Amino acid sequence: DIQMTQSPSSLSAAVGDRVTITCRASQRIANSLAWFQHIPGKAPKALIYVASSLRGGVPSRFSGSGYGTDFTLTISGLQPEDFATYYCLQYNSFPYTFGQGTKLEIK
Amino acid sequence: QVHLQESGPGLVKPSETLSLTCAVSGVSLTSYSWSWVRQPPGKGLQWIGVIHYSGTTTYDPSLKSRVTISVDKSNNQLSLRLTSVTAADTAVYFCAKDAGLEYWGQGALVTVSS
Repeated sequence: DIQMTQSPSSLSAAVGDRVTITCRASQRIANSLAWFQHIPGKAPKALIYVASSLRGGVPSRFSGSGYGTDFTLTISGLQPEDFATYYCLQYNSFPYTFGQGTKLEIK
Repeated sequence: QVHLQESGPGLVKPSETLSLTCAVSGVSLTSYSWSWVRQPPGKGLQWIGVIHYSGTTTYDPSLKSRVTISVDKSNNQLSLRLTSVTAADTAVYFCAKDAGLEYWGQGALVTVSS
């Protein structure tokens, strides 16, 4: 199985800040990487697919980059609604695997 | 607008079978692949498996002997069955559209307890 190592596990930031979350794959996965946002009690929301393409309706302050084994999710200009837990997912090969999650909290 | 809604018993006894359905609206079930994901309390997301639009299935190896994903085309519903459950199967279960998990339901909490 491909292991996804996500960091940091938690992050404290203020409204307006720029934050970066990283995911490292244990094997090369090309650009088969997605990012999700999850607020407890709500449906998880898909943000990015193929490493850098924004899903429809996702604000442009979200961006993704990377290829191969190293990937990043950047949120530029944090908004109050962005405080949530973020997960990466590799879908290059089965079984698909998630990162451990990054909990983004308000400073 | 795509909408997914999971439903099923909130409490299942150990060794019994967990059965959940996912009602899909806004899109035809037969045109896409469909996935199940779960989140144990206090933990991260775990991929369970996918039913491809062809009807074939792929499961996480750790669950493969116990899990079945199927579709009911007449009712536009997706189903999950997990046999011989233990407390470790207690989780919020999510259904999602596509192998890439484009849209998700809100999830259904299933507790395994006697």
